[in-house]
Amino acid sequence: EIVLTQSPGTLSLSPGERATLSCRASQSVSSSYLAWYQQKPGQAPRLLIYGASSRAIGIPDRFSGSGSGTDFTVTISRLEPEDFAVYYCQQYGTSPWTFGQGTKVEIK
Amino acid sequence: QLQLQESGPGLVKPSETLSLTCTVSGGSMSSSSYYWGWIRQPPGKGLEWIGSIYYSGGTIYYNPSLKGRVTISVDTSKGQFSLRLNSVTAADTAVYYCARGVRVRVSSQSSWFDPWGQGTPVTVSS
Repeated sequence: EIVLTQSPGTLSLSPGERATLSCRASQSVSSSYLAWYQQKPGQAPRLLIYGASSRAIGIPDRFSGSGSGTDFTVTISRLEPEDFAVYYCQQYGTSPWTFGQGTKVEIK
Repeated sequence: QLQLQESGPGLVKPSETLSLTCTVSGGSMSSSSYYWGWIRQPPGKGLEWIGSIYYSGGTIYYNPSLKGRVTISVDTSKGQFSLRLNSVTAADTAVYYCARGVRVRVSSQSSWFDPWGQGTPVTVSS
């Protein structure tokens, strides 16, 4: 199975700063079939990005995704207070679908 | 707006069977654009895809890591799909989520998940 490794484990930033989260795959992700989710404490994950770079409906344009092959990134251009959460990547190019271990974005 | 809601026992004894149901409301399950999936999250840990089913029940695929212990079924007349996990151990303690899998195209199994149910915690303990 494809193992997804997210870095860093924790990102400590202030509101207004730029956040860059990484997801690296153990082998190439077919057709850039990679999604990103945001999860807040006690809540279900919420889809942010699919197809590596397409924003889901209702997701603000401060969120952007990029990458291909084995290296993917999600960027939050200016952190808002509601963006502090855990972020997961998921590949759906090769079954079994797998998730990264998560990156926590915390308030500095 | 499509909503999913998990239901089932919150406590299961070791070696017994975990059974959960996901009820879909606000939309039809009967679309070729979607699969219907289960994902779990152990306490303080990441997400693990368990398996997904097509609305007709004709295509089901599972994560091999569950080693044949899992069964997913669907009842579109009730707007529900279900999960059964046999021979549970403490390692199966988790929050279990159901979610709609959005297929990249009609001919593909590949899917991302949106939306998700709120999740239901299940503890395996005697």
